[in-house]
Amino acid sequence: GAGVSQSPSNKVTEKGKDVELRCDPISGHTALYWYRQSLGQGLEFLIYFQGNSAPDKSGLPSDRFSAERTGGSVSTLTIQRTQQEDSAVYLCASSLDLGRALHFGNGTRLTVT
Amino acid sequence: DQQVKQNSPSLSVQEGRISILNCDYTNSMFDYFLWYKKYPAEGPTFLISISSIKDKNEDGRFTVFLNKSAKHLSLHIVPSQPGDSAVYFCAARDDKIIFGKGTRLHILP
Repeated sequence: GAGVSQSPSNKVTEKGKDVELRCDPISGHTALYWYRQSLGQGLEFLIYFQGNSAPDKSGLPSDRFSAERTGGSVSTLTIQRTQQEDSAVYLCASSLDLGRALHFGNGTRLTVT
Repeated sequence: DQQVKQNSPSLSVQEGRISILNCDYTNSMFDYFLWYKKYPAEGPTFLISISSIKDKNEDGRFTVFLNKSAKHLSLHIVPSQPGDSAVYFCAARDDKIIFGKGTRLHILP
C-alpha cells in the first residue's frame, strides 16, 4: 500500500546552499507534519498543515526554514543557506485529521558539509 | 522547555520479562497520548494510544497507563521479545503532537 513517501532519502550539501525536501502524504490525509531528529535527540516539531487552515510554523528554528503544501497534498520543506547544525533526519508524517495517529515516512537524512 | 519528557535514555530487559517505559508531561491541556516505536533508518510507527479520559488501554502485549494527577504515563510490554528492541517515543497532543526524546530499549537474550 502507499505510505508516506519522502525524497530524497539522503542529501549531502555544502554549507550555504539551499535544499528542498519533498513529502508525499497518504492520499486523503488532511494533516501533514514535519519533524526533525538530530543525532541523539528526539523528534523536534517543525511545522504542521491541517486542511486549508494557516499552518502552525511555531517549531521552525529560523527564518531560513520554510514549508509549503500545494493542493492539500505534496509538501516541500526548504532550508536556505544551510548550516552544519541543520544536519539531521527530516521526517514527514500525515494523518486523517489533526492529532490522530501519525503515519511517518522514512525520512530524509540531510548532511551539511 | 520540554513538555514531554522521557528521562531514561536507555533500558535493558531480559527476554520474556516485562519492559516498562516511562514518560512525564507538563502541559495539562494534553488530551491524547501516543507511543511510537522506531527502528534505525525507518520512520516511527504507531503502537498504542490513550485518551486523557481513560487510565488504561491494552492491545495485545502492549498496555499504556495514564496517571493524570501525576502527569505520567507508562508503556508496559509483556512478555518482551527480541523484536521489541528499538527506540520508543512518547507523544502528546494539544493542538499538535509533541514528542519526547525517546528511550532505547534493549531486549537481552
